[in-house]
Amino acid sequence: NAGVTQTPKFQVLKTGQSMTLQCAQDMNHNSMYWYRQDPGMGLRLIYYSASEGTTDKGEVPNGYNVSRLNKREFSLRLESAAPSQTSVYFCASTRDSAVGYEQFFGPGTRLTVL
Amino acid sequence: QQQVKQSPQSLIVQKGGISIINCAYENTAFDYFPWYQQFPGKGPALLIAIRPDVSEKKEGRFTISFNKSAKQFSLHIMDSQPGDSATYFCAAEYNNRKLIWGLGTSLAVNP
Repeated sequence: NAGVTQTPKFQVLKTGQSMTLQCAQDMNHNSMYWYRQDPGMGLRLIYYSASEGTTDKGEVPNGYNVSRLNKREFSLRLESAAPSQTSVYFCASTRDSAVGYEQFFGPGTRLTVL
Repeated sequence: QQQVKQSPQSLIVQKGGISIINCAYENTAFDYFPWYQQFPGKGPALLIAIRPDVSEKKEGRFTISFNKSAKQFSLHIMDSQPGDSATYFCAAEYNNRKLIWGLGTSLAVNP
């Protein structure tokens, strides 16, 4: 049981380049998320998917697109990377817990845009 | 209204001491308040969570205190250990399993 996996772990892009961040979970969770984490900014939700075939914008969706390919996979695409998108990107999935729900996070992708 | 204000930004505690991290919110519609722990180079992991219908929840050395009227909640780490050194985030659910996060508290526990 690998949990939430993300690829790549590190990436350096030039301004204007595009790339797709991959995320997969093997826990049969319905909900999946993409966050970005910046120093001093905490975690901010980019996009959310409640189930296969549905996606919803979070706090900071501009410059990103997502695809919920199937129940396991949720990808994040940067069409034209900008230096402001330099960040650590986390994918997460959710399961119910006794009190509410628990988000399980992947190891993150460290992206630098030059 | 869509904010969770977390303090302090950083905290240094001696081994065996009590670590206290505070969070405040404005939106009374928030109804689920988790705390996450993050170690360097890792993703956050759920530590403990509470709903506003209870004032306190304890799990081992970790306790959440919740004050609904003041719109504040706090994390207490009893008998703090060097292994507790990490960044702690409070969060609140604002819409159907979407969380708004505090900015984090970096905790260092000195041996």
